[in-house]
This record gives sequence, C-alpha cells and structure tokens, in this order.
Amino acid sequence: GESVGLHLPTLSVQEGDNSIINCAYSNSASDYFIWYKQESGKGPQFIIDIRSNMDKRQGQRVTVLLNKTVKHLSLQIAATQPGDSAVYFCAEIPDNTDKLIFGTGTRLQVFP
Amino acid sequence: DAGVTQSPTHLIKTRGQQVTLRCSPKSGHDTVSWYQQALGQGPQFIFQYYEEEERQRGNFPDRFSGHQFPNYSSELNVNALLLGDSALYLCASSQSGQGIPYEQYFGPGTRLTVT
Repeated sequence: GESVGLHLPTLSVQEGDNSIINCAYSNSASDYFIWYKQESGKGPQFIIDIRSNMDKRQGQRVTVLLNKTVKHLSLQIAATQPGDSAVYFCAEIPDNTDKLIFGTGTRLQVFP
Repeated sequence: DAGVTQSPTHLIKTRGQQVTLRCSPKSGHDTVSWYQQALGQGPQFIFQYYEEEERQRGNFPDRFSGHQFPNYSSELNVNALLLGDSALYLCASSQSGQGIPYEQYFGPGTRLTVT
C-alpha cells in the first residue's frame, strides 16, 4: 500500500544502470521462490519465480538467481527505469503448502 | 477482465469492534488467500479458502475468521479489534491445480485503521 516500506532498506540507482536486490530466505524445504513488486497504493505484483531445482531463471529485463547453499535469492533488473521504482519482496512457498512467506522488502529508487 | 477487487478501500474502526472485509477473485480463479501487511513489513499469510472451506491457516488468533461463497468471493472477519490489527489487508486469488509456475494475483488491499 501507499505506506509500505517506510523503514525498509533502500537501493538507489541511476536510470539505465543495473539493479541487484538481495534476499535471504529461511526454509530450506521451500519449493518455489517468487519476486514481487509493490507500488504505492497497490498490491504485490508477480515478477518472476524460480523452482528450487534451478539456480537461474531469466525474464524480460529480470533475472533471478538462487543459491540454496546459503539460502540466498537475488533479483537483477537490467537497464533500470523510473517505472521500476517500488518496494520489492521475495517470497518462498514451503513444500506441500500454498502459502507465501514474504521476506523483508527493499525499496528501489531510480533517479535520472 | 477484472482483476482481484477488494472493498472497502479504507476503514476506520474502534478497539473492540468487529470488521468485515470483502474480496472478489480474478475471473477463473477459485482459491482466495488473505494476508496482513503491517507498516514497513512484508505481507503475512492469514488463511486460504478453497471450495468454501479454510484449507490452510497462518499464525493468527481465532479472532480472524473467513468465509468463501459459491461464487468464490470471500470475506475476512476480525472480531474484538486491537490497535495492532491496523494494517493493509490483502486478498490474493489463484486457480487450484494450475501448472507450474505457481502464481497468486493480489488485490489493492483494504487499509484498516483501529483507534
């Protein structure tokens, strides 16, 4: 919503640069990992997901990397644009469940 | 094709009161999940409804209850409101049995303020 992310870590990047947002997850039994983007006044929007048996997946301008050894997930955004400004959350889906467990978000600010 | 809709957009209640929030899922979706998002935090799973029954539940007290109707829409009820219940309540819908990858579509949320 409009007030999400008041005390979140912030990543500031210049328009056109690449952005890397990191996330640590907690459950080694999680089967899926998803990145969401949340703009002010809106609900989270699906960006990209990755299954636990993969270590990399690419979408349009985005790449997700998964390191199960250290339980780390990252989202790379190529050629960051002003419209990418938002709060980004990683989420995990524990095996045999349908519930999303969200991590701490990161606010991405893109300046010209 | 309408996405997930929620009502009301904003709500102000007093401690001890009860509140009902509503959600209509995306067309073609039959599963509804509810999340609570406190200020500055990620959403937390409350529960999920499928075939008009609660299928999964997060770590929320019994004051939080829900319902799903035959048309797949859903309500979230919170009794005996506490100040700490102030948050953005998000509804997400999905289609059961859908193939990989799994995806939930979120509504814009209802901002609840308890005074």
